[in-house]
Formats: sequence, structure tokens, C-alpha cells
Amino acid sequence: NAGVTQTPKFQVLKTGQSMTLQCAQDMNHNSMYWYRQDPGMGLRLIYYSASEGTTDKGEVPNGYNVSRLNKREFSLRLESAAPSQTSVYFCASTGTPGYTFGSGTRLTVV
Amino acid sequence: GENVEQHPSTLSVQEGDSAVIKCTYSDSASNYFPWYKQELGKRPQLIIDIRSNVGEKKDQRIAVTLNKTAKHFSLHITETQPEDSAVYFCAAGGSARQLTFGSGTQLTVLP
Repeated sequence: NAGVTQTPKFQVLKTGQSMTLQCAQDMNHNSMYWYRQDPGMGLRLIYYSASEGTTDKGEVPNGYNVSRLNKREFSLRLESAAPSQTSVYFCASTGTPGYTFGSGTRLTVV
Repeated sequence: GENVEQHPSTLSVQEGDSAVIKCTYSDSASNYFPWYKQELGKRPQLIIDIRSNVGEKKDQRIAVTLNKTAKHFSLHITETQPEDSAVYFCAAGGSARQLTFGSGTQLTVLP
């Protein structure tokens, strides 16, 4: 039972490049989330998926897109990376109790 | 939407002393208030949570209190140990969905 698995753990992109962050959970959770974590700003919600086939914007969705591929997988895509997207990204799914987070992706955009 | 404010942003205590972190929230519909601990370079992990029908909850050295009228909740850590040093986040939301997080408190326990 791996919980929530995120890949990659680290990534460096050049401005304008694209990439997809992958997230998978094996806990049969319905809801999944993508957060970004910046110093002094806590965790801010980018997008979430309440169930398979649905996605909704969170607090900071600009510059991102998501896909809920199936119940297990929820990916986050940066179409044209910008330096402002340098951050640590966490995927999470909702269980009992509370969220289970992935191990995070540290993304640097230069 | 929900807005969560967390204080203080940094907190240093001597080993064995108590630490208190406070959060306020804005949405009276929020009914779930978890606390997460994040050690350096690791993922946030749930340490304790409370629902709006409960005023206080304890788990060994940690406790959380909730004042629904004032819309604030607090984390209390007693007999602090060096391994308690971490960033602590409060959050508020509806039944663990769409949580809004506070900005975090860096707790340092001095030996």
C-alpha cells in the first residue's frame, strides 16, 4: 500500500517549457488535489477533483491544467512554465481522517 | 471563500515547555479543523483534527481546542521535545474536503 505517489521528485525547466506532474493513489479515494507550497504562504490549492471525471479550479489555477485520468490518477500540467511557478507541488487525496499527501515535487523554472 | 490566519509564524520554546499555535477562520460553514506537521523536506502529515461538534480533543502530548463562536482554534503541545521541531499548519474546511491552510508556524524546540 503506497498511499499517494508523485513523480518526479525534482525537476528543472526552462521558461516556456512544458511538463506534467503525475500523481496516483491506491486508497480508493474519490477526491484528489494539487497544492503548491511557497515560503511563508502555506499550501495553496491549484485544482481539485471531487470524483472521477470532474475537475475544478482552486485558489491559484492560472498557468495550470489538470486531468483526472481515472479514479487513481490526477495529473497537473504546466503548458508554458514561468519562473513564478517555481515551487514545491503536493498532490493529496482525501481519506479518513484528513488528507494524505504525496512526497512532493520540487520544481525550479529558470 | 474560506480564509485562515495562523499565528505566530515562528515560535521558539525550551525543551519541556509548552507551545501554543493559534488559527482563526472566516467561514462559519467550516466544520473540520486538522493540524499538519511538516518536517524539513518531507510531506505534511496529519497529527490531530477536530470537528465542529467537539470543543477539545487530546492525543498524548498534543491537544486542539475549538471556539466556534469566535471562529478560532488552537494547537497545544506540552512537554515539548526536539523532535517536535517542524512547521505546523492549521486548516479549515468541510469534512476534510477543499481545505484552506494557514501560512504555517516554524516551531523550534531548544535543547
